[in-house]
Amino acid sequence: EAQVTQNPRYLITVTGKKLTVTCSQNMNHEYMSWYRQDPGLGLRQIYYSMNVEVTDKGDVPEGYKVSRKEKRNFPLILESPSPNQTSLYFCASSRGTSINEQFFGPGTRLTVL
Amino acid sequence: GQNIDQPTEMTATEGAIVQINCTYQTSGFNGLFWYQQHAGEAPTFLSYNVLDGLEEKGRFSSFLSRSKGYSYLLLKELQMKDSASYLCAVINQAGTALIFGKGTTLSVSS
Repeated sequence: EAQVTQNPRYLITVTGKKLTVTCSQNMNHEYMSWYRQDPGLGLRQIYYSMNVEVTDKGDVPEGYKVSRKEKRNFPLILESPSPNQTSLYFCASSRGTSINEQFFGPGTRLTVL
Repeated sequence: GQNIDQPTEMTATEGAIVQINCTYQTSGFNGLFWYQQHAGEAPTFLSYNVLDGLEEKGRFSSFLSRSKGYSYLLLKELQMKDSASYLCAVINQAGTALIFGKGTTLSVSS
């Protein structure tokens, strides 16, 4: 089944404790992206990647890192999480190296205490 | 910059027709998407418009007017399961990201 997977789905952590949210897609998509979704603010892009080893900042990159060593994986790294990073995170992928229909992962609900 | 406006909430009854509007201001236009998102779930693709006009897909249709910076999503024969948020999104000028509106929460009652 074609899909985007994320792990973990739910995470409660404490300020300053490094964490990684994994994202993997099995559709051989070039483009991958991370969004966060907050009430009243909608979905906002954190980082994106047009292809392996090519990543760039989205609208809200502060406090996040990403890597794209393989086409299928695009992990999101929070080196020192803070409470303002409490949010619902979505990974997405699409064919080609520019935007078209995006397929979203199931989401990761992160709480930073 | 880019700005997308859509109503925050709408209500309708089963079997009715509802139109969800979206206006956008962008520097350049590369296409507009509509997504459906049930509470706590991932957004799912509904439609894509890049040329003016109406795209029909079953009970859902989407319309685009590039000159007016305007789109709408039309939902016919509403069902309870259509209760969800509907997200309007435009491709940014560089073609690298989707810029989402804040979403319209539709509540369908019997």
